Amino acid sequence: AQSVTQLDSQVPVFEEAPVELRCNYSSSVSVYLFWYVQYPNQGLQLLLKYLSGSTLVESINGFEAEFNKSQTSFHLRKPSVHISDTAEYFCAVKSHSGGSNYKLTFGKGTLLTVNP
Amino acid sequence: KAGVTQTPRYLIKTRGQQVTLSCSPISGHRSVSWYQQTPGQGLQFLFEYFSETQRNKGNFPGRFSGRQFSNSRSEMNVSTLELGDSALYLCASTHTSGGAGEQFFGPGTRLTVL
Repeated sequence: AQSVTQLDSQVPVFEEAPVELRCNYSSSVSVYLFWYVQYPNQGLQLLLKYLSGSTLVESINGFEAEFNKSQTSFHLRKPSVHISDTAEYFCAVKSHSGGSNYKLTFGKGTLLTVNP
Repeated sequence: KAGVTQTPRYLIKTRGQQVTLSCSPISGHRSVSWYQQTPGQGLQFLFEYFSETQRNKGNFPGRFSGRQFSNSRSEMNVSTLELGDSALYLCASTHTSGGAGEQFFGPGTRLTVL
């Protein structure tokens, strides 16, 4: 079975500060990794994903995440946050074992609050 | 393209009633997944439908059921509602089942059980 642990339930930071949201996963097979963002009263939006190839993936709004297989981690970082980045962030894993069980498993989420 | 739409957006029911939620996927998407989101449990997978067939199922009681129609629209039904069923129910669509395809989420239906 696969699982995702987001180590921080809440992360408060000041505007223009760097931030790291931590995510660790466990799976006995190869995985795809995702970060989703949820703004208040909205559904989830895909922020970035790791499928294969380069272990560093970037989003269009300055976030990046690095896949570390040995540490089974996929931490999300941004060097300088904005007020508009305030949202809940979810790490998710999907196995690709070749079977039919491709369900997406989510972490509990990290609420990022950016203060002025 | 229009995004994933869910109706209704808000619903209030009482214990013991049943409820049906609807999801219209993005045009051309054939896979629809349902999730329950609560503050305590987070996002939990309910089930996935692809081409009118249930492909995967989460660990929810039989009171939770779903179906998919030939136009890929999906409904989920919860019978004999309990207070603990109060949650945001999210629907997501993707082009195919399995693989690395991105899931596109709807805005959700917020169900309150009194």
